Formats: sequence, structure tokens, C-alpha cells
Amino acid sequence: DTAVSQTPKYLVTQMGNDKSIKCEQNLGHDTMYWYKQDSKKFLKIMFSYNNKELIINETVPNRFSPKSPDKAHLNLHINSLELGDSAVYFCASSPSGGAQDTQYFGPGTRLTVL
Amino acid sequence: DQQVKQNSPSLSVQEGRISILNCDYTNSMFDYFLWYKKYPAEGPTFLISISSIKDKNEDGRFTVFLNKSAKHLSLHIVPSQPGDSAVYFCAASHGKLTFGQGTILTVHP
Repeated sequence: DTAVSQTPKYLVTQMGNDKSIKCEQNLGHDTMYWYKQDSKKFLKIMFSYNNKELIINETVPNRFSPKSPDKAHLNLHINSLELGDSAVYFCASSPSGGAQDTQYFGPGTRLTVL
Repeated sequence: DQQVKQNSPSLSVQEGRISILNCDYTNSMFDYFLWYKKYPAEGPTFLISISSIKDKNEDGRFTVFLNKSAKHLSLHIVPSQPGDSAVYFCAASHGKLTFGQGTILTVHP
């Protein structure tokens, strides 16, 4: 009965490959997010979706493409993986995406690109 | 250009004492501030928040202080417990959350 779940937890792959990370929330929230925690440990927002619509799209390479088939799922597809994509990726959700909403995070996916 | 910074990478405190975690920000448009706590192999979990119209918010052992003129936020934990050992992230909001890089708190029994 995990609130926000991500799969896989660990992902090791070669440069140039394409990979996907899946995220699901069972909280009934309207808004979902993807964050990247880089080597300097900063958590930076990449995307947010509200009810399947893209709301926030930070300066992220086009190789990253989020897909929201329904409001409970937000998947992240990454094409042509590069060494610099190695990071921990966190999915999160919040009730409505309001500025004072509490965001609930998944456990993270550690991506290692070799 | 990091708009939210936690300049202490780590903090070590004795059980029962006060833990003070600090956070500085540069963007005066931020109007809501939060602290998240993170255990290893888990995602961050919300701890406490404060609106920019307040200067203090308290929840049990946790108190957040906001000094807008100094653009400074702090989290006080009193008394500290070994279970508080975790990484603490501050975050600031203006439409979206901007996180600091975290401070590792270790509370020794």
C-alpha cells in the first residue's frame, strides 16, 4: 500500500541506451512531479503534470520525455543515455499542485550510466 | 545558481540536546518554506513548513524560524533523538519547489 512507488529502484545501463522509469501514486492526487538529485545532492525539479497535462518543464534535454497515461501515473523515458544522466530520480505527487501543497515522494530510482 | 543553500553538509548532536539546521535563500519572491527529512533508500518526507507572513511555526519538537530580512531559515529540534538522524532538506516555493542540498544530522545516544 505504498503511496508513491517507483520502478525500478536501481538501473544500470550503457551509454546510448534508452530506458524508462515508472511512477505510480495511489493517493488520488492530481499533480505529479519528477525530480533529479545530482552529484551535489541538490534536488531539482524536471517536470510536473496536473491531471495528465504538462505544467512545469524545466530546462531539461529533449532526450527526457515524461508521459502521463492517467493522473495516477507519470513515467520518465530517457533516450540516448549519457554519463551525466547518472543520478537519483524521484517521483512525487501532491493534491492539486498548489504552492503550499505537501509533496509526497517515492523512494527514488538510482540510475547509473556506464 | 543555487537559490537555496544549506552550507553545513553535516551536524552531529548529542541525544537530548538541541539541533539547529540552517538554510539561506536568495530569491525574495519565495513565499513558502518547507523542511523535508530523508532516510537512506527512501524519498524525502514532509516535516514542517512556514508561510512568509510568519516568522515562527512549531510542531511538537520541531520549530521553524524565518528571518525574511536576512533571507534565512532554520529548523530547531528539541530534544534531539537518535531517530532524528537523517538528511534534512530545506525547500522554498514560488510556484515550484527549490531545494537545498541537504544537511546530514547525526544524533548520538
